[in-house]
Amino acid sequence: QLVLTQSPSASASLGASVKLTCTLSSGHGSYAISWHQQQPEKGPRYLMKLNSDGSHSKGDGIPDRFSGSSSGAERYLSISSLQSEDEADYYCQTWGTGIQVFGGGTKLTVL
Amino acid sequence: EVQLVESGGDLVQPGGSLRLSCAASGFTFSSYWMSWVRQAPGKGLEWVANIKQDGSEKYYVDSVKGRFTISRDNAKNSLYLQMDSLRDEDTAVYYCARALYTAMVDYWGQGTLVTVSS
Repeated sequence: QLVLTQSPSASASLGASVKLTCTLSSGHGSYAISWHQQQPEKGPRYLMKLNSDGSHSKGDGIPDRFSGSSSGAERYLSISSLQSEDEADYYCQTWGTGIQVFGGGTKLTVL
Repeated sequence: EVQLVESGGDLVQPGGSLRLSCAASGFTFSSYWMSWVRQAPGKGLEWVANIKQDGSEKYYVDSVKGRFTISRDNAKNSLYLQMDSLRDEDTAVYYCARALYTAMVDYWGQGTLVTVSS
């Protein structure tokens, strides 16, 4: 079964960096994923597509502070120079034939 | 600029029906798969349904199969979700989304709220 696992919460200080993790279920380690940001009281926004080899393509207007990387079944979203507006929920998504799957989301707190 | 604007959300009683619409602009609507994704209050995102460019393939999450129907009108650049036999657990904000590679969302609408309650 295709499942994405994310830690429920993370925190980092203003101006620092943070790395969020999304783990693919066993047998699905070659899947690409996408990352999405949802700021409080807003709809989601697409950040990037992230391939198993770590290559990624970002959405329109996404700052260079956001980047992605991969290792095995793990997919990462890194955010540098944290700003207050980065405080949000972050979701990973993947897809198979006829289905989409979202991770449970990570709530990022900027201290 | 890609725009997706949902409408049709409302308060409806359990067992009732509702039809959501999504008006698309700023891209060639007929070239993309489209999706509906929902978010229950205080919860995460849940994929609901996908539809292929020409409407020939449709997929649903198990919890809505047989109750919800996704459709599209490429001449009107519009996506729809017909929701029947609604349950309390269908209460959520419903997002219209454009999809690349059949199912990867790359643009989201602002959402429309569906509340199922007596």
